[in-house]
Amino acid sequence: SQQGEEDPQALSIQEGENATMNCSYKTSINNLQWYRQNSGRGLVHLILIRSNEREKHSGRLRVTLDTSKKSSSLLITASRAADTASYFCATPDSGNTGKLIFGQGTTLQVKP
Amino acid sequence: DTAVSQTPKYLVTQMGNDKSIKCEQNLGHDTMYWYKQDSKKFLKIMFSYNNKELIINETVPNRFSPKSPDKAHLNLHINSLELGDSAVYFCASSARDRTGNTIYFGEGSWLTVV
Repeated sequence: SQQGEEDPQALSIQEGENATMNCSYKTSINNLQWYRQNSGRGLVHLILIRSNEREKHSGRLRVTLDTSKKSSSLLITASRAADTASYFCATPDSGNTGKLIFGQGTTLQVKP
Repeated sequence: DTAVSQTPKYLVTQMGNDKSIKCEQNLGHDTMYWYKQDSKKFLKIMFSYNNKELIINETVPNRFSPKSPDKAHLNLHINSLELGDSAVYFCASSARDRTGNTIYFGEGSWLTVV
């Protein structure tokens, strides 16, 4: 079954604005990851946040994790046209198989 | 250097044909995967191999057969292709560490069955 669900499905903003994407998941996890997919390309790992972390930063990216609400958010600050892509959250399978379960992604369009 | 490379990138073929997609990773990872991404961008795992051994086999038709000659390669062979097989297939690899399981993806193979 699908673990992560992103919200919104699509987001369109102007360059310079901040973009916030949310992810909800169903079962207990020990970490959550965010990936980016440019059009016609493979997914690229952005950031991993562990279950004992509440917030993590990487450049213009800020990820939060609320295990009580089973949700995470990805904030991209001062967005650029080059940030236009789809963003996916991924959580480990509960069976500890190493499998990651991906949500359907948020498609972000940043208009120049 | 490309970390996870898969070929071909584009493949258009007729129903009923058999085709293969090859994948190689030079990251030294023990685990390799095949994922399928549909037209709605939903990404679903198909198979996982660890050191050439099948670990995960999701509910995938028998027409799909992965083959791992060594831990750096995981090829996907598809028999009797159907229209519904049209999708993007991603090969990926990962190494387990204490923080989690970061996956490195190939660029994808766009399969169109006509």
